Amino acid sequence: AQSVAQPEDQVNVAEGNPLTVKCTYSVSGNPYLFWYVQYPNRGLQFLLKYITGDNLVKGSYGFEAEFNKSQTSFHLKKPSALVSDSALYFCAVTDNNNDMRFGAGTRLTVKP
Amino acid sequence: DTAVSQTPKYLVTQMGNDKSIKCEQNLGHDTMYWYKQDSKKFLKIMFSYNNKELIINETVPNRFSPKSPDKAHLNLHINSLELGDSAVYFCASSQGVRTGELFFGEGSRLTVL
Repeated sequence: AQSVAQPEDQVNVAEGNPLTVKCTYSVSGNPYLFWYVQYPNRGLQFLLKYITGDNLVKGSYGFEAEFNKSQTSFHLKKPSALVSDSALYFCAVTDNNNDMRFGAGTRLTVKP
Repeated sequence: DTAVSQTPKYLVTQMGNDKSIKCEQNLGHDTMYWYKQDSKKFLKIMFSYNNKELIINETVPNRFSPKSPDKAHLNLHINSLELGDSAVYFCASSQGVRTGELFFGEGSRLTVL
């Protein structure tokens, strides 16, 4: 079955610095990869996805992610972090199955 | 105009009771889901329906029974509630089952005392 791993429970960055939230995946077929963000007491919100095509995917709020097949990774990045980016971030994957599997989440804290 | 709406938002009940959570989406999506998020924020799929047909049924106790009267609605009924059922339950929908992103409701926080 497909799965994703988010190796960091917590990422801390200073406002204005670049941020990276890591994700690696495991699938038996073609991976379809997603990033979501969850603010406190809210549902998850879609940020971006990779289905096919360019390895660099751009999404909402200035976020982007790079699909790396050889490293089976799909890290989330942003060139300049904002305090308002502080939230819980989830990586997710589907393949030829029907269900979307989520990672354990990474809590991003951006300090002023 | 809320895309995926769940009711109730909060539910506090005693062990052994039966409760239901309702979900409706106005996005015209074909697929709807129930996810459970535990206290450590781990998100686990429970059920998925595509055009009112059950397509995913994870290892969930049979005390949990989903019902989809039409493709815009997916309700979750839980019998004989246990302490371990306490969690936030999220409904979601998508257009397509593999490549479509999920749209989530705001969650229903269930507390079993």
